[in-house]
Amino acid sequence: DAKTTQPPSMDCAEGRAANLPCNHSTISGNEYVYWYRQIHSQGPQYIIHGLKNNETNEMASLIITEDRKSSTLILPHATLRDTAVYYCIVRVGGTSGSRLTFGEGTQLTVNP
Amino acid sequence: NAGVTQTPKFRVLKTGQSMTLLCAQDMNHEYMYWYRQDPGMGLRLIHYSVGEGTTAKGEVPDGYNVSRLKKQNFLLGLESAAPSQTSVYFCASSFGTARSYEQYFGPGTRLTVT
Repeated sequence: DAKTTQPPSMDCAEGRAANLPCNHSTISGNEYVYWYRQIHSQGPQYIIHGLKNNETNEMASLIITEDRKSSTLILPHATLRDTAVYYCIVRVGGTSGSRLTFGEGTQLTVNP
Repeated sequence: NAGVTQTPKFRVLKTGQSMTLLCAQDMNHEYMYWYRQDPGMGLRLIHYSVGEGTTAKGEVPDGYNVSRLKKQNFLLGLESAAPSQTSVYFCASSFGTARSYEQYFGPGTRLTVT
């Protein structure tokens, strides 16, 4: 599995876009980029994933560079409830018993 | 659509006692998982199931047993609780193999063993 690198912390003003970067320079062709977050004391929450095209859902957008060596998760209008640790994970599409392992992640703090 | 629910939310056990944690999902997911998360640490997979009537060991299965008698339910049992099992337990579910990294988690059960 490709190693990912994320900044340990970021701040964002409420109502502004939060752009969370992730480097995955050793990603292979069949590996997807997944994003999760964990709000304090809650269960992890799946956000979005993609292979090579940009993706958007009701929560966020995922921008993957053309060489797929990095990606950015965008929360278009951050709210205080978006304060959480965000995890970028790179995995092959899926196998039975797929175990999620989170690295250090990025602590995003949304300020009023 | 409740998603993934877990009962109980909190429990305190004495060493040697037993208990069962219940996980239920209403998304018709094939796969279900039990993780534990210790303070400041990441998730560790205890057991998982790829379908009704099937279970398999994860990375930290010792001291736990599971059962998946119905597709929507996944039970985690502690036969003889130990202080080392003090943790937050999360259940998750997902669709089949191709989407197995798109997991949906419950709110967690906070277990303290004294």
